[in-house]
Amino acid sequence: GAGVSQSPRYKVAKRGQDVALRCDPISGHVSLFWYQQALGQGPEFLTYFQNEAQLDKSGLPSDRFFAERPEGSVSTLKIQRTQQEDSAVYLCASSLLAGVETQYFGPGTRLLVL
Amino acid sequence: GQNIDQPTEMTATEGAIVQINCTYQTSGFNGLFWYQQHAGEAPTFLSYNVLDGLEEKGRFSSFLSRSKGYSYLLLKELQMKDSASYLCAVRDRVTGGFKTIFGAGTRLFVKA
Repeated sequence: GAGVSQSPRYKVAKRGQDVALRCDPISGHVSLFWYQQALGQGPEFLTYFQNEAQLDKSGLPSDRFFAERPEGSVSTLKIQRTQQEDSAVYLCASSLLAGVETQYFGPGTRLLVL
Repeated sequence: GQNIDQPTEMTATEGAIVQINCTYQTSGFNGLFWYQQHAGEAPTFLSYNVLDGLEEKGRFSSFLSRSKGYSYLLLKELQMKDSASYLCAVRDRVTGGFKTIFGAGTRLFVKA
C-alpha cells in the first residue's frame, strides 16, 4: 500500500536560496509531523499539524522555516534564505488519529546547503 | 525539560541476544516507542509501551518501567540485517496535544 512519500529525495541549494520540501502523508491520516535529523542524531521535532491546523510549531529553529498544510493532506516545509546549518535530512511522518497513534515516516529529503 | 539517554553504539554476534537500554525524563509521559532506522532510510516502528511490563513481538521485545523512567529493547537470535540504529522515543503531553521526543539512537553492529 502507499506509504508516506516525500519529494525531492535530494536537494542541493546555494546558501541564501529558498527551498520547498513536500510531504504526501498516508491517505486519511489526520496528524502530520515534520522532523529534522542531523547525521548521527535522532529526529528533532519541528512542527505538527492536525488536519489543516498547525497545532505546534515550537520546534521550528527560526522564522526562516515555515510549514503549511492548507487542505489537510499534503504539506510543504519551506526554508527561506537557507544557511549551511540547515543541511540535514527532513523527515515527514503521519499518523491516523491525533494523540496516541504510531507515526509512519517517509523516506526523507536530504538537504545540502553549499 | 525532556531528556532521553541511550548508548551510542553496541556490537553483538549473529545468533546472540542484545539489550539496548533507554532512560528518559519527561513531565507528561504518554508512551514510549522504539524505532529501527537503517542508514539512509526512514525510521520504522518496532514497539510501543504505555504500561509497565514486557511487550513481546517475535524476535523483538520491549520493556517499560515508568517509575524508573527506563525501557529496554531486547533483540533475540540476531541476524546481520539487524545492524541498524535503534531509536528510543517518548511521547510527552504538552499544551495543545502531544510531542514525540527522540533519543540520538543506538547504532548496533552485528558481526558474524
